[in-house]
Amino acid sequence: QKEVEQDPGPLSVPEGAIVSLNCTYSNSAFQYFMWYRQYSRKGPELLMYTYSSGNKEDGRFTAQVDKSSKYISLFIRDSQPSDSATYLCAMSDGGSYIPTFGRGTSLIVHP
Amino acid sequence: GAGVSQSPSNKVTEKGKDVELRCDPISGHTALYWYRQSLGQGLEFLIYFQGNSAPDKSGLPSDRFSAERTGGSVSTLTIQRTQQEDSAVYLCASSLGGRGGGELFFGEGSRLTVL
Repeated sequence: QKEVEQDPGPLSVPEGAIVSLNCTYSNSAFQYFMWYRQYSRKGPELLMYTYSSGNKEDGRFTAQVDKSSKYISLFIRDSQPSDSATYLCAMSDGGSYIPTFGRGTSLIVHP
Repeated sequence: GAGVSQSPSNKVTEKGKDVELRCDPISGHTALYWYRQSLGQGLEFLIYFQGNSAPDKSGLPSDRFSAERTGGSVSTLTIQRTQQEDSAVYLCASSLGGRGGGELFFGEGSRLTVL
């Protein structure tokens, strides 16, 4: 079993839909949780960075962390075609400087 | 721009040849990472440099892979005697460091194809 599990999709939704992307993990020491967005043939770019449990909101994006369930989510409200990309979750523990990434979920938002 | 720069962007080589991939990190970033991304796979950690400390090489898949970072800046990833399974996108990232890694800034990657 991988440390970080993420459904690769693809996930196809109509424009304006609420999108939910998720990751599960097995390492209870993880404390830092990140979501990166990767467009085709580009490098990943950071979307959200959270520490420990709870919610964080930034515009149309909300990140949730449930450490008791070892489950993190990224919600995208009012999804746009420009949101079509691969979304990678990443996480690390307090003593590490090296994030572990999930496989990424491919999201397609069609007009 | 002042982002992470990688070269070459594309490299096609024959099985058994050596290749070198270069990364120019963002100025002032002390941490530098190499990851590998195969088709449909996530980012596989290869190696991590932090300042003048000894690198963390725990992710290198075999002794055919090596990397160096000169002067705390530019890094080169070398793959010797390339194999077809080495075909992937090699991504370099830099950061200011800090626990958890902080925000990683990625280059656009070097796409390696081994024939």
